Amino acid sequence: SQTIHQWPATLVQPVGSPLSLECTVEGTSNPNLYWYRQAAGRGLQLLFYSVGIGQISSEVPQNLSASRPQDRQFILSSKKLLLSDSGFYLCAWIMNTEAFFGQGTRLTVV
Amino acid sequence: QQQVKQSPQSLIVQKGGISIINCAYENTAFDYFPWYQQFPGKGPALLIAIRPDVSEKKEGRFTISFNKSAKQFSLHIMDSQPGDSATYFCASRPSKPSKLSFGAGTTVTVRA
Repeated sequence: SQTIHQWPATLVQPVGSPLSLECTVEGTSNPNLYWYRQAAGRGLQLLFYSVGIGQISSEVPQNLSASRPQDRQFILSSKKLLLSDSGFYLCAWIMNTEAFFGQGTRLTVV
Repeated sequence: QQQVKQSPQSLIVQKGGISIINCAYENTAFDYFPWYQQFPGKGPALLIAIRPDVSEKKEGRFTISFNKSAKQFSLHIMDSQPGDSATYFCASRPSKPSKLSFGAGTTVTVRA
């Protein structure tokens, strides 16, 4: 069966520190992968999506970047975090019509 | 620009009551309309979905009503239960590419 793993579950980082969130999927090949951010009281904002290794599309300009080093691995990064980067980050895999989400990472930048 | 507008932002309903959440979309190319349920600290999970060739879909206590001409769709939760307390997101997407556009979410609280 297909599963999606995302870690860490929670993270508290100081302003200016780097960030690396990892997402991996199992049970499929060449998945379409997505990073979403959910700010408090707001919806799901699409940050990046990838249709294959090394292929990254950015939806909004921001302080974050994404990479797809392997077929089933999707990484969200930042060189220097800002306070505004705080939020709930979700990795998703969309297969045909259905989206499967990871458990999310609660990032608090202090 | 938000392509899917969802309302209300939150609602409180008594146990056994009906919860109604509305969404409106703009892109006429959208052909898939799912609803996701999210519990605190968890990722969203697909609840129910509809395609524009039908006006209504029912799964248990959950019903989607779809109005293609008005570009609106809604989720009805019948006989609401405390376990239904969650945040609900509507979404939509065109046939290609497969990006989902989400509404802002509705936090539903069912009081016992």
